[in-house]
Amino acid sequence: QQQVKQSPQSLIVQKGGISIINCAYENTAFDYFPWYQQFPGKGPALLIAIRPDVSEKKEGRFTISFNKSAKQFSLHIMDSQPGDSATYFCAASTSGTYKYIFGTGTRLKVLA
Amino acid sequence: GAVVSQHPSWVICKSGTSVKIECRSLDFQATTMFWYRQFPKQSLMLMATSNEGSKATYEQGVEKDKFLINHASLTLSTLTVTSAHPEDSSFYICSASRTGRKLFFGSGTQLSVL
Repeated sequence: QQQVKQSPQSLIVQKGGISIINCAYENTAFDYFPWYQQFPGKGPALLIAIRPDVSEKKEGRFTISFNKSAKQFSLHIMDSQPGDSATYFCAASTSGTYKYIFGTGTRLKVLA
Repeated sequence: GAVVSQHPSWVICKSGTSVKIECRSLDFQATTMFWYRQFPKQSLMLMATSNEGSKATYEQGVEKDKFLINHASLTLSTLTVTSAHPEDSSFYICSASRTGRKLFFGSGTQLSVL
């Protein structure tokens, strides 16, 4: 119940296209859902995060869609660029803790 | 923004030696820091929660005597891999929180044990 399932494992998108990464969870106590971007040999960097009281959050080209009833959330990268090629992790945490449960990661490659 | 500095970026050591990795919050105080381990092409595995002024809390299966954590101040936590062996080779990452729920990560340390 503590797992966060992430898909797909890898994704190839053409430049300018939309990249979509999905995550699903079981624990209804999760109330904070961040997305991180990680380049090889670097630590993860926070991209965007959402709480379950909103269904969508947008920051620049990055959008999180959240479906509370389905216990699913997704990251959409609009106008994907080769520089977006990285590994993306979703995560979830419960109130009162900074302890994150991470998804398994999605390796995104954007073709020039 | 919140900056977490991790040092060294990479280290090579001989089997049986100990290695210390530092994690600093540069522009904020962090009462709690986290240490993760990451194998190639895999997710982050939480090893322990480091609390300033108290003992670290280790996740199940993580050897306390192997991975010593010290959180001596509000801006510094250290991870010491004691008597390192080749199987300890991995990418180690720390994180810290400034306010709210956001975690900021260090740049990671690649440890190679020969």
